[in-house]
Amino acid sequence: DGGITQSPKYLFRKEGQNVTLSCEQNLNHDAMYWYRQDPGQGLRLIYYSQIVNDFQKGDIAEGYSVSREKKESFPLTVTSAQKNPTAFYLCASRGGQGGNTEAFFGQGTRLTVV
Amino acid sequence: GQSLEQPSEVTAVEGAIVQINCTYQTSGFYGLSWYQQHDGGAPTFLSYNALDGLEETGRFSSFLSRSDSYGYLLLQELQMKDSASYFCAVRDMDSNYQLIWGAGTKLIIKP
Repeated sequence: DGGITQSPKYLFRKEGQNVTLSCEQNLNHDAMYWYRQDPGQGLRLIYYSQIVNDFQKGDIAEGYSVSREKKESFPLTVTSAQKNPTAFYLCASRGGQGGNTEAFFGQGTRLTVV
Repeated sequence: GQSLEQPSEVTAVEGAIVQINCTYQTSGFYGLSWYQQHDGGAPTFLSYNALDGLEETGRFSSFLSRSDSYGYLLLQELQMKDSASYFCAVRDMDSNYQLIWGAGTKLIIKP
């Protein structure tokens, strides 16, 4: 079955630690995205990548980093520079760059700072 | 700037019809999408409108008026499983066709 997989589902981080969230897709999609969602809020774009070895900052990139070494994978690192990292993180992919191609989402990773 | 406005919460009765409105302000409007998200889950795609008018998919319909920068999602024959948050999102040409998201509307359905 084709899909997009995020892991882990729950993640706890101590203050000052970097953590990496995994996102893998087997949909053969070119574009991948990372969003942050806070309670009662919409989705805010952290980073996106439209092709391997290239990625762009979204609206709230500070304190985060990404890589896109393979088409299937787009991991997100939450660094110690991110002052308020507790949130629900969603990864998504799309097959096209324009038009009405829908975004497919992973099940999310809930990150909590302890 | 770019912004989308939708009500934060809507309450309806099982079996009824409900409309969730969305107004937007973007520089490079390309299309309006609607997504459903259950608590703790992933958003799932419901519909997309690029042209004015009504798109119908089963119990759900979506409408767009580009001249009014307005759209709505219409849910008919409401079922308890429709209790979720509904997000409108605009695809924006001036932002590399990225989705700009509304804050979501929580739909509460009462028996």
